[in-house]
Amino acid sequence: AQKITQTQPGMFVQEKEAVTLDCTYDTSDPSYGLFWYKQPSSGEMIFLIYQGSYDQQNATEGRYSLNFQKARKSANLVISASQLGDSAMYFCAMREPASGTYKYIFGTGTRLKVLA
Amino acid sequence: EAGVTQFPSHSVIEKGQTVTLRCDPISGHDNLYWYRRVMGKEIKFLLHFVKESKQDESGMPNNRFLAERTGGTYSTLKVQPAELEDSGVYFCASSQAGTGLSNYGYTFGSGTRLTVV
Repeated sequence: AQKITQTQPGMFVQEKEAVTLDCTYDTSDPSYGLFWYKQPSSGEMIFLIYQGSYDQQNATEGRYSLNFQKARKSANLVISASQLGDSAMYFCAMREPASGTYKYIFGTGTRLKVLA
Repeated sequence: EAGVTQFPSHSVIEKGQTVTLRCDPISGHDNLYWYRRVMGKEIKFLLHFVKESKQDESGMPNNRFLAERTGGTYSTLKVQPAELEDSGVYFCASSQAGTGLSNYGYTFGSGTRLTVV
């Protein structure tokens, strides 16, 4: 069954430092997409980055990069040069076509706190 | 372009009462999804509409939950009667047809925080 595991309920990072948020996934479908979303205290879900299962290169979006290790089924999010505004909840998620609905499977999230 | 709108943003009701959550998707988005996050747990899929039809309602917890999408536009999610375990944040999302695995155009609303006391 499809599953997303985020083993870090909470993380602290010093401002301007880099931080890695862990995510592992489980699926038997060769075609899937991996995503990271940020949820600040205001509640909205903000899309950060996407990685397709067939993409050869790791995805990058500004200060965000996704460390995609297909054989290990991991999709860790790396935030470089952390800012105070990065403090939020972060969710790793997966979508598959096999379900027919392209629904998201989410992890339990990691709460990141950036320290000044 | 207006985003996905959900209301109310917060609702506090007593156990046994009825609550109706509403989601207005982005205009032209055929796909509409409902998700729920119970405190401390993952965000879980509830159901998926394509226009006015339910494509997948495998995530609906039980028959106390009823979702509708009138004319393929806005959607409502009714909980009747509400129980304590229904507390959580209910998210709606919408997307265009044919976006495949990418999230192009897949937009979440800000959620409705439901508290059942």
